[in-house]
Amino acid sequence: TQLLEQSPQFLSIQEGENLTVYCNSSSVFSSLQWYRQEPGEGPVLLVTVVTGGEVKKLKRLTFQFGDARKDSSLHITAAQPGDTGLYLCAGDQGGSEKLVFGKGTKLTVNP
Amino acid sequence: DAGVIQSPRHEVTEMGQEVTLRCKPISGHNSLFWYRQTMMRGLELLIYFNNNVPIDDSGMPEDRFSAKMPNASFSTLKIQPSEPRDSAVYFCASSFPTGLSNEQFFGPGTRLTVL
Repeated sequence: TQLLEQSPQFLSIQEGENLTVYCNSSSVFSSLQWYRQEPGEGPVLLVTVVTGGEVKKLKRLTFQFGDARKDSSLHITAAQPGDTGLYLCAGDQGGSEKLVFGKGTKLTVNP
Repeated sequence: DAGVIQSPRHEVTEMGQEVTLRCKPISGHNSLFWYRQTMMRGLELLIYFNNNVPIDDSGMPEDRFSAKMPNASFSTLKIQPSEPRDSAVYFCASSFPTGLSNEQFFGPGTRLTVL
């Protein structure tokens, strides 16, 4: 059983479109992180959300943490080919340094 | 500053052979993590160290896998004997957790193929 479920698993869109990807769980997390991984590289942190209901913006990317701290979403406005990659969410359950990762959403933005 | 360094970047070996993966964490980071990534299972934590001491090895698949961290700047993950199902990308990550952040910094990974 996957603790963090990400959807969709794959997403292929055209440049300029908007998209939202989701990260859901039945567990509560003290914080949740979003990473982006490009082919042949390791994941790189985009943002950490900590407070239930929190919204953070990073240029065209908007991250939201659910009120109950069990889920999160990532919205990209006017997607660009440079946004292509694997988007991973990772939850911190507190009490240790371990992160639980979802399987990711593989995004392809076509020019 | 250099990021997390892993070697080799690619390893192809035959079933039954010993494989050793190496990692140099970011200087000053006191936590080190070994992950395995596959399409089927995603990114799985194998083991993590804090101040060179193994804290949680519950993700290590079986006795064929072992990890060491002899000092703050070096860690190894060894598979002996290797099997085809061990084929995956293995990542090392390091962090210096504070009250505000537990961001993990990942290396480029080692792509392991066991024939």
